[in-house]
Amino acid sequence: DQQVKQNSPSLSVQEGRISILNCDYTNSMFDYFLWYKKYPAEGPTFLISISSIKDKNEDGRFTVFLNKSAKHLSLHIVPSQPGDSAVYFCAARVTSYDKVIFGPGTSLSVIP
Amino acid sequence: DAGVIQSPRHEVTEMGQEVTLRCKPISGHDYLFWYRQTMMRGLELLIYFNNNVPIDDSGMPEDRFSAKMPNASFSTLKIQPSEPRDSAVYFCASPEGVEAFFGQGTRLTVV
Repeated sequence: DQQVKQNSPSLSVQEGRISILNCDYTNSMFDYFLWYKKYPAEGPTFLISISSIKDKNEDGRFTVFLNKSAKHLSLHIVPSQPGDSAVYFCAARVTSYDKVIFGPGTSLSVIP
Repeated sequence: DAGVIQSPRHEVTEMGQEVTLRCKPISGHDYLFWYRQTMMRGLELLIYFNNNVPIDDSGMPEDRFSAKMPNASFSTLKIQPSEPRDSAVYFCASPEGVEAFFGQGTRLTVV
């Protein structure tokens, strides 16, 4: 039973355009949502997070939107750059258990 | 701090052999997570520790898997006996607040 879902295994975007990565979750007890980026042969690195009491968080080119009623969040990258090509993992945390659960990941390719 | 350190980076072993993966978390972090990454399932949480105590091992796939954290600076994940389907990249992570810091992973191949 996958509590965090990323239904697009891959995404291809032209350099300079917007990349939108989507994530759905099932557990309403999640209190924090996070995005991680992973390059080949490296561990995932933290990118951006959002508390469940917010609906938007922005950090430079990266913005995360949260729609609690739909149990959906998305990561927007504007403008997309070739260096953004990586696997992006959506993750969620249940505070009381401090457990962080990851989705299966979406591989983003930004084409120059 | 050098970050989370995992060893070895690569491990190739024969089916039936015991495999031990090692992790040194970031000093001062109370939690440690072990994850496994596969193409089919992405990043799966196997087990996590708080102050060296295992809190939730419900993600450990079988009794062949075991994990220990004898002290705050060292943890091991052991597979005995190993099987080809255990081939994956294994990560440990050391959270601080919301953010988790990952090691570079151990790529395990069981032939």
